[in-house]
Amino acid sequence: TQTVSQSDAHVTVFEGDSVELRCNYSYGGSIYLSWYIQHHGRGLQFLLKYYSGNPVVQGVNGFEAEFSKSDSSFHLRKASVHWSDSAVYFCAGGSNAKLTFGKGTKLSVKS
Amino acid sequence: DMKVTQMPRYLIKRMGENVLLECGQDMSHETMYWYRQDPGLGLQLIYISYDVDSNSEGDIPKGYRVSRKKREHFSLILDSAKTNQTSVYFCASSRGQAETLYFGSGTRLTVL
Repeated sequence: TQTVSQSDAHVTVFEGDSVELRCNYSYGGSIYLSWYIQHHGRGLQFLLKYYSGNPVVQGVNGFEAEFSKSDSSFHLRKASVHWSDSAVYFCAGGSNAKLTFGKGTKLSVKS
Repeated sequence: DMKVTQMPRYLIKRMGENVLLECGQDMSHETMYWYRQDPGLGLQLIYISYDVDSNSEGDIPKGYRVSRKKREHFSLILDSAKTNQTSVYFCASSRGQAETLYFGSGTRLTVL
């Protein structure tokens, strides 16, 4: 059984701060990992994905994530957040077409 | 224009009524999904469809069934809705395994 966990339910930062949203996975075989963003009242939108190769992947709007097999992690980072980055962020993992989502981290950016 | 469309956006039903949630996509994606989202639980996979008439149970299929007769349409059916099926339902599509999921805007279903 594959699991994806996001340890922080809520993260609050100030505009211009850096942020890291944590994601850990548990799976025995090869896995692909993704991050999605959900603004209030909307559907999820794709941010970035790791499948193989360079463990640091770049996404939209300045987001990046780093895959670590040793730590079973795929943390999302942004160097300088904007108020519009306020949203819920979901980490997801899968080994086939079925994707398992974490419970989400709500990011609040204060001005 | 890559789009997943869900109808209706809001729906209120009484317990025991039948419910039909519809989803369409214009990307000719083979794979389509139905998820439900509840506070604190994230997204839970109800059903996945690999193509027309090729459907597979997800993690929480009980109380639901699906229909996919055309590649671009995927329906979720609740026969005799229950109050614990009150949730936000999301449809998504993708080109296939390990590919990006494209989500609809969701249907907020309330079962009274």
